[in-house]
Amino acid sequence: EADIYQTPRYLVIGTGKKITLECSQTMGHDKMYWYQQDPGMELHLIHYSYGVNSTEKGDLSSESTVSRIRTEHFPLTLESARPSHTSQYLCASSEESGGKNTGELFFGEGSRLTVL
Amino acid sequence: GQQVMQIPQYQHVQEGEDFTTYCNSSTTLSNIQWYKQRPGGHPVFLIQLVKSGEVKKQKRLTFQFGEAKKNSSLHITATQTTDVGTYFCAGPGYSGAGSYQLTFGKGTKLSVIP
Repeated sequence: EADIYQTPRYLVIGTGKKITLECSQTMGHDKMYWYQQDPGMELHLIHYSYGVNSTEKGDLSSESTVSRIRTEHFPLTLESARPSHTSQYLCASSEESGGKNTGELFFGEGSRLTVL
Repeated sequence: GQQVMQIPQYQHVQEGEDFTTYCNSSTTLSNIQWYKQRPGGHPVFLIQLVKSGEVKKQKRLTFQFGEAKKNSSLHITATQTTDVGTYFCAGPGYSGAGSYQLTFGKGTKLSVIP
């Protein structure tokens, strides 16, 4: 079983609130990712990180921001939540790999966000 | 950029019937991965294929990687209700500055009628 944890699992908040979704892994993986997934739909990469102090934007534009101050921790923040941010956010990690070998992804259980 | 197309989008089968989902890429893939996501759950890694023409089996699941490394398939023999879920293929897509990230197909949602 993968050792990657997300909190909160479920969050219902009002418009304009600031929220932080937490993600931690204990596998020592350098690479970490955030995917956004609407129910029953495909996964969209919104952020990724190669390691400490490294963050990159993914294929899908997102108003969220991320930080990577510690290897094991990769939180995602929305400064001002809106109903359009309602979705499931999945955190994942993988071992460092070279070139086109992206490595197996280990996913957390996800954070389901509802913005009213 | 890299696109991974997956068909069908939905598949309903009677328990005991076979099931196949297909994945096609617009470019040659160095490798392809398959994931399963149960309803309400998170994606779980199933397998990675690397070699041209590679075939791998996991019990009732058979995974194939095309000779040209542009397509792949997942075949389930004699489906069971435990097979219910969405199956995703994913291939590395170039994201700039020498970096590759996984691009997921839209998935095939499998329903099994008991």
